[in-house]
Amino acid sequence: QVQLQESGPGLVKPSETLSLICSVSGASVTRNYWSWIRQSPGKGLEWIGDLYASGTTNYYPSLRGRVTISFDTSKNQFSLSLSSVTPADTAIYYCARLQKGGSGVVTGWLDSWGQGVLVTVSS
Amino acid sequence: AIWMTQSPTLLSASTGDRVTISCRMSQGIATYLAWYQQKPGKAPELLIYDTFTLQSGVPSRFSGSGSGTDFTLTITFLQSEDFATYYCQQYYSFPPTFGGGTRVEIK
Repeated sequence: QVQLQESGPGLVKPSETLSLICSVSGASVTRNYWSWIRQSPGKGLEWIGDLYASGTTNYYPSLRGRVTISFDTSKNQFSLSLSSVTPADTAIYYCARLQKGGSGVVTGWLDSWGQGVLVTVSS
Repeated sequence: AIWMTQSPTLLSASTGDRVTISCRMSQGIATYLAWYQQKPGKAPELLIYDTFTLQSGVPSRFSGSGSGTDFTLTITFLQSEDFATYYCQQYYSFPPTFGGGTRVEIK
């Protein structure tokens, strides 16, 4: 059974970089697809980006330029980095395993989620 | 991006009821739709993908239907553990998007 666990600072100052790690057990990070999603009261559930087994990434358009998702294969983890944060980036951040849809689509559904970590952006 | 309108926002129901939740797309997505259940303080959990396919371990009282732009999640014989918030999610195009959620509360 796949298990995911997010970790990282719960408080980040405006203009700084938010960095989170997702630790995975029960599956190899390099043999699956993964995603980051966030949830805030004002915006609901928002997709951040995908990391495919090949190492290719796909990011939410409004976050491109600020977001990086990558593997740490030595620890069976993947990470999220979001730069130049503002209070609008305050949210619960989830990592999840992505099951890719059919051959006609580039993304898919999320079948296993971490418990989530609340990140507050405030000085 | 594809916009999704989920309705109703709030649904009051009793144990044993049959409830339906609607998700309407701004454009056709074939059957590339998933449904999730979220309870307070917990992460969403996958219920259904590809519109109709029940995730392993999900009770058969949950079912999905639809295609194109109109989709429905149905819960027959509502149980106490089903009071939660439900979200639809399309993956026809990137970025994937979620509906605004439907909270099912006890009447």
